Amino acid sequence: AAGVIQSPRHLIKEKRETATLKCYPIPRHDTVYWYQQGPGQDPQFLISFYEKMQSDKGSIPDRFSAQQFSDYHSELNMSSLELGDSALYFCASSLASPIGELFFGEGSRLTVL
Amino acid sequence: DAKTTQPNSMESNEEEPVHLPCNHSTISGTDYIHWYRQLPSQGPEYVIHGLTSNVNNRMASLAIAEDRKSSTLILHRATLRDAAVYYCILIADKLIFGTGTRLQVFP
Repeated sequence: AAGVIQSPRHLIKEKRETATLKCYPIPRHDTVYWYQQGPGQDPQFLISFYEKMQSDKGSIPDRFSAQQFSDYHSELNMSSLELGDSALYFCASSLASPIGELFFGEGSRLTVL
Repeated sequence: DAKTTQPNSMESNEEEPVHLPCNHSTISGTDYIHWYRQLPSQGPEYVIHGLTSNVNNRMASLAIAEDRKSSTLILHRATLRDAAVYYCILIADKLIFGTGTRLQVFP
């Protein structure tokens, strides 16, 4: 069965550069969530989308933005990268209703040098 | 957001049952109780979820207290592949991870 696809799997950037992460949810899933997980830390919720509209926002820096497109894929854009942005970024998808399980991708590992 | 409390770590031997507790005394009536587990450098994996009644699936069982202020994830026969961090999460409209329980399984 198709899972949540994230790309790229690994990304290395310099400070102050820009990075874009992509997430392709499971077909027919209408909700996408983004999480950030630093080394040895628990996943932190960043932002979520339902039917291409932002539905909730967590601890997402102003330097980050995201959107969900008409085909339901989502992109997380990160600008003015800082060393502290180095982390695993997970995308998850689900059906909004009824609330069921979230399916997570393998993650995109961003390293900022 | 409702909070959950879990032990930092637990240990088990292979083939033994494991009971992972979770306290969620501030749970509201609409919160679902979800469990996920995460292996190193992998995305969290869904284990089980429930609202009021106990639930069973091929991976585990979920026992929910009558007052819903606590729940227990039951792995009936632990295997080495069950070693992971287990997160108990309350969901109304979004999923917020807590600190989780790191389960070690010994052969």
